[in-house]
Amino acid sequence: EVQLVESGGALVQPGGSLRLSCAGSGFTFSSYAMSWVRQAPGKGLEWVSVISGGGYSPQYADSVKGRFTISRDNSKNTLYLQMNSLRAEDTAVYYCGRMHYMDVWGKGTTVTVSS
Amino acid sequence: DIQMTQSPSSLSASVGDRVTITCRASQRIDNYLAWFQQKPGKAPKSLIFAASSLHSGVPSNFSGSGYGTDFTLTINSLQPDDFATYYCQQSHSYPFSFGPGTKVDV
Repeated sequence: EVQLVESGGALVQPGGSLRLSCAGSGFTFSSYAMSWVRQAPGKGLEWVSVISGGGYSPQYADSVKGRFTISRDNSKNTLYLQMNSLRAEDTAVYYCGRMHYMDVWGKGTTVTVSS
Repeated sequence: DIQMTQSPSSLSASVGDRVTITCRASQRIDNYLAWFQQKPGKAPKSLIFAASSLHSGVPSNFSGSGYGTDFTLTINSLQPDDFATYYCQQSHSYPFSFGPGTKVDV
């Protein structure tokens, strides 16, 4: 069964850092681009970032560019999102997904940025 | 950047109704358009990719159409499990973007 499981969400103070992980299973992880999407409380979906299967050419939303870094370790079938200089507006459920068009989604991990 | 709009923002329907949701892109995106369904407190579920291709396991009462800038998600004979919020997403140009969503309720 194809599965994605996110982890790493937490309560963090403004200006702090956090690293999210997304573990993939049931498919050849390195063959697929992987994405991050977030959803603030009561709001719609917001695309965050994508990275190619080989870990090249990361792309970011303007709202996170320069603060977030997407990466992957194909030997561990794991996708990461390093989040620095966190702001209150980064509070959201963060989902990882397979491919540019998110054919498979994880259940999400919650990030709360608050003092 | 490409802006995605959806109409209507919400609609009321009954079981058995035919429902149509429209998604419009601010620039041409060919067929790089996906549709998702989300229920409260749950992760989104993928329905359609490449504007009109159904993902495996998606009921056949869902269909998608369109090319360029205008796209449609149609739900034929609405079922109780179909009451949810629907989002479109373009993956033609970075940064990718989602529509604001359409809530389908009773």
